[in-house]
Amino acid sequence: NAGVTQTPKFRILKIGQSMTLQCAQDMNHNYMYWYRQDPGMGLKLIYYSVGAGITDKGEVPNGYNVSRSTTEDFPLRLELAAPSQTSVYFCASSYASRETQYFGPGTRLLVL
Amino acid sequence: DQQVKQNSPSLSVQEGRISILNCDYTNSMFDYFLWYKKYPAEGPTFLISISSIKDKNEDGRFTVFLNKSAKHLSLHIVPSQPGDSAVYFCAARISNFGNEKLTFGTGTRLTIIP
Repeated sequence: NAGVTQTPKFRILKIGQSMTLQCAQDMNHNYMYWYRQDPGMGLKLIYYSVGAGITDKGEVPNGYNVSRSTTEDFPLRLELAAPSQTSVYFCASSYASRETQYFGPGTRLLVL
Repeated sequence: DQQVKQNSPSLSVQEGRISILNCDYTNSMFDYFLWYKKYPAEGPTFLISISSIKDKNEDGRFTVFLNKSAKHLSLHIVPSQPGDSAVYFCAARISNFGNEKLTFGTGTRLTIIP
């Protein structure tokens, strides 16, 4: 039981490049979330999903896109990377919105 | 607009003593509060929570206190151990029938001195 896994662990992007951050969970959770954490700040919700095929915006969705084609996977797409997207990205999942969220180890992204 | 605030970025406590981490919130609609613990290069892990209908919840060495009138909660760790050294995040949510989302504080880095 791996829990929530994220790849890659670290990535450097040039301004304007695009990439997909991968997230997978093997707990059969319905809810999945993407957060970003900037230095000295709390986690901010980017997007979330309540089940396959259903996604919604969080607090800071601009510059990102998501999809949820399966229960297990919830990739986060960055189009036209900008320095402001330099951050640590965490994926999380929970069985229901009131249940405990389980976090992945994070992806550190540097945009230069 | 930081609705959940942790005003102490860092805290150092001697091993065996009590660690007290504080959290303030501004939104009176929050009705459930959580503490997460985060080690370097790992994701946050759930530690303890409290509903707004309670003023205290205890789990082993960890106790969370809630003062709704002051919009303040605190996490007490007794006795503190070296393994407690981590960043602690306070989080809050509003019950919303399947649409609950967490609002996190900025975190407090706790260092336990052996």
